[in-house]
Amino acid sequence: GAGVSQSPSNKVTEKGKDVELRCDPISGHTALYWYRQSLGQGLEFLIYFQGNSAPDKSGLPSDRFSAERTGGSVSTLTIQRTQQEDSAVYLCASSMDSSQPWNTIYFGEGSWLTVV
Amino acid sequence: KQEVTQIPAALSVPEGENLVLNCSFTDSAIYNLQWFRQDPGKGLTSLLLIQSSQREQTSGRLNASLDKSSGRSTLYIAASQPGDSATYLCAVGTYTGGFKTIFGAGTRLFVKA
Repeated sequence: GAGVSQSPSNKVTEKGKDVELRCDPISGHTALYWYRQSLGQGLEFLIYFQGNSAPDKSGLPSDRFSAERTGGSVSTLTIQRTQQEDSAVYLCASSMDSSQPWNTIYFGEGSWLTVV
Repeated sequence: KQEVTQIPAALSVPEGENLVLNCSFTDSAIYNLQWFRQDPGKGLTSLLLIQSSQREQTSGRLNASLDKSSGRSTLYIAASQPGDSATYLCAVGTYTGGFKTIFGAGTRLFVKA
C-alpha cells in the first residue's frame, strides 16, 4: 500500500478482554516494528520483525503480549487479559530493511487502545 | 543499554526565531540517527536521517548534525513558523541482539504567531 496501515484506529475494551491490533506495512518493506506510546510519553519499543522472524522481543511488557507476522507482510499484536495500564497508542512502522543505515522508518497513524 | 535524552522537554518561541533542539545518546555504537515530527493525535513523520558515517543532513529550513563520538545530535530550525509547532523526536538506530530504533521522549515545540 501507499503507507503503513493500522487497524482498528480506535478500540475501547473492557478489562480482562483480549484485543488484536493489525499492521499492514508498506509493500516491499521487510522490517516491521511495534512501539507503544502512553499519554504524553515517548515511544517504547516492543518488538521488531525482519521478515517473519522476531530477533528481539525484549520490549514486550509481559507474557500477555505477543506478536506474529506471516508471509513477511501483515503483523498482529495481541494483548491478552487487558489491564488499564495497557491503555496507550500502539504504533507500527516499517522500513525496507532493518540492517541498512540509510533506510527511513515510516509510521502508521496508530491504534488508540482504551481499557475500561 | 542505549538511552536517548532530549533537551528541552518543551520550548515556546516567537515566530521567525531560529532554534536548536538537542539530543544525546549514551552508546556511540549507532548506525543512524533520525529526527521525527509528531503532530497531536498523529503518527510520526521522518524529517531527516543521518547515517553514522555522516555529519549532517539538510532539508529546507531544517539542519541536523551528528557527533557520534560525543553522543550528540542537534536539530536546527531556521525562521520558525507556527506550522512548525509539534513534538520533535530523536531516534537512534542501534544493534542489540537485532537492529532496532530507540526514541527519546521528544521536545514539544510551540511557535507563537
